[in-house]
Amino acid sequence: DSGVTQTPKHLITATGQRVTLRCSPRSGDLSVYWYQQSLDQGLQFLIQYYNGEERAKGNILERFSAQQFPDLHSELNLSSLELGDSALYFCASSVGDGVAGYTFGSGTRLTVV
Amino acid sequence: AQKVTQAQTEISVVEKEDVTLDCVYETRDTTYYLFWYKQPPSGELVFLIRRNSFDEQNEISGRYSWNFQKSTSSFNFTITASQVVDSAVYFCALSEAGTGGFKTIFGAGTRLFVKA
Repeated sequence: DSGVTQTPKHLITATGQRVTLRCSPRSGDLSVYWYQQSLDQGLQFLIQYYNGEERAKGNILERFSAQQFPDLHSELNLSSLELGDSALYFCASSVGDGVAGYTFGSGTRLTVV
Repeated sequence: AQKVTQAQTEISVVEKEDVTLDCVYETRDTTYYLFWYKQPPSGELVFLIRRNSFDEQNEISGRYSWNFQKSTSSFNFTITASQVVDSAVYFCALSEAGTGGFKTIFGAGTRLFVKA
């Protein structure tokens, strides 16, 4: 157990729907990162939050949004889902800016049908 | 711009062979960090090592060793006497400062098969 908790582990939903992925960071970590892993795109950085504020943004689609709450857990919202959004979504956390490395959760596998 | 290239898509070796996974990076920063992560078949990503741009010392941890060469922008990973449990996808990653903090990008990964 890495200490980073992601729920749910698996999610199957239909195109056009909206889902929310949840992440609880490791105790003491203030930064949360979201990554998307698909077969053809590899691990793509989506977004980072630090202590409740957005810190860095990657290739995150406008249909996707995220936030980090006061208790430091984070949610990634995916809307108007398309087949191509099917992927493994990882959350990672770090104490500060991540230069010491990340601790990853076990991921949420999203399947859009 | 940041870029990490892992040219080897898949490598297959027989147990007890040594294997080296290549990683070449591009960055314009003088301060940056390099990482290796392992993704076993179970799917989670496991941190293996971090190197900062000012420390070119090679590192050995058990059967794992890392060779960092700034002159060739490479950060290669060698597994000595490979074992079946080493079968996984290995990712090299680069973190450099950007607006608002450090941003980490990953290479495409190298899938290692170790056969008994």
